[in-house]
Amino acid sequence: NAGVTQTPKFRILKIGQSMTLQCAQDMNHNYMYWYRQDPGMGLKLIYYSVGAGITDKGEVPNGYNVSRSTTEDFPLRLELAAPSQTSVYFCASMWARRETEAFFGQGTRLTVV
Amino acid sequence: AQSVTQLDSHVSVSEGTPVLLRCNYSSSYSPSLFWYVQHPNKGLQLLLKYTSAATLVKGINGFEAEFKKSETSFHLTKPSAHMSDAAEYFCALWVSSNTGKLIFGQGTTLQVKP
Repeated sequence: NAGVTQTPKFRILKIGQSMTLQCAQDMNHNYMYWYRQDPGMGLKLIYYSVGAGITDKGEVPNGYNVSRSTTEDFPLRLELAAPSQTSVYFCASMWARRETEAFFGQGTRLTVV
Repeated sequence: AQSVTQLDSHVSVSEGTPVLLRCNYSSSYSPSLFWYVQHPNKGLQLLLKYTSAATLVKGINGFEAEFKKSETSFHLTKPSAHMSDAAEYFCALWVSSNTGKLIFGQGTTLQVKP
């Protein structure tokens, strides 16, 4: 039972490069989320999705893009990486029911130099 | 608009003394509220959740929280701190009948002194 899987775990990017952070869940959850975590700032919501084909912006969407073509996958795309995007990124998923909770991946530590 | 505020960025207690981590929320709809814990360089683990049943919620490792609608609060408590409780704690809010966003507070660092 894999849960939420994020790849890669670590990555160093040069300024201006692009990359995709992968997130996959095997629990058939309809809601998925991307967060970034910076020291002392908590988790900031980047984008989220309430189902395949539906995505919406969170608190800090600038510089990122997402897609949700399947229920299982929710990749986060960074275009033209900047030092301000150095962070730890977490993906999460959950059922859209009040009795549930979000399950998190182990995170991707990204450094932009 | 939904929001979550953790009132203390850092809490320091001695081992064996009570822990209180404070969380206030703002929501126009009935909320689901969560406390997550994050140990250094680890992912997030659910401690407990409130989803509309009992207002006093018990979680793992002796933690509990009480949902108080009149005070819009969901404070986390533990009667006796253990060294292994030292970690970052996050309060989170989810409103099913609104956008579906899951919003986190800024986090509280719990330090436990021997």
